[in-house]
Amino acid sequence: QPVLTQPPSSSASPGESARLTCTLPSDVDVANYNIYWYQQRPGSPPRYLLYYYSDSDKGRGSGVPSRFSGFKDASANTGILLISGLQSEDEADYYCMIWPSNAVVFGGGTKLTVL
Amino acid sequence: QVQLVESGGGLVKPGGSLRLSCAASGFTFSDYYMSWIRQGPGKGLEWVSYIGFGGSDIHYAESVKGRFTISRDNAKNSLYLQMNSLRAEDTAVYYCARPAETSGGSHFDHWGQGILVTVSS
Repeated sequence: QPVLTQPPSSSASPGESARLTCTLPSDVDVANYNIYWYQQRPGSPPRYLLYYYSDSDKGRGSGVPSRFSGFKDASANTGILLISGLQSEDEADYYCMIWPSNAVVFGGGTKLTVL
Repeated sequence: QVQLVESGGGLVKPGGSLRLSCAASGFTFSDYYMSWIRQGPGKGLEWVSYIGFGGSDIHYAESVKGRFTISRDNAKNSLYLQMNSLRAEDTAVYYCARPAETSGGSHFDHWGQGILVTVSS
């Protein structure tokens, strides 16, 4: 099962943008996968945010603001969650996920602090 | 509305067994793959297992293979996780989760509130 690498922490100020990354191992091509993103606040189960496959194949979960968007950096084999116009309520843990054949894989998560 | 309610957690000694249940409602349970996902204290999400509609397509994380068994009873709208030979590292909140697409391969759009399993002597 592949390992998805996320930086353990990130921080930004209210109103700024946060760019959270999810790097796939070199033998797993990010181009072939939907990258799913979740937000988790303390004491709650994860909340689905969005998925990104390509510019023509992407989507946000119900009620997720357009401030949340997904991208890929193929050169870095990385999925990206971009949160613009940061708000205090965005402070949470963020997880990426892929579902290759016969397994589900989560990244280790990034704790986002809104300063 | 979709509801997933886990039960059966608790404190168990290393080497012991526990059976988790997940009662599903608000959707046609037999139409969906289902999964167990866990989260150790202060740790990230870890997928544990998933099961297909009729129980024939089953997969496990390497960390639990041979010790955990997933099953379902579509007549009772219930998902189960039999956990044997439990270790301290199995201590976690266990979530029952439903994928958005019936045959899996998508995000999980519904999660239970989770049930705590503590493995300790």
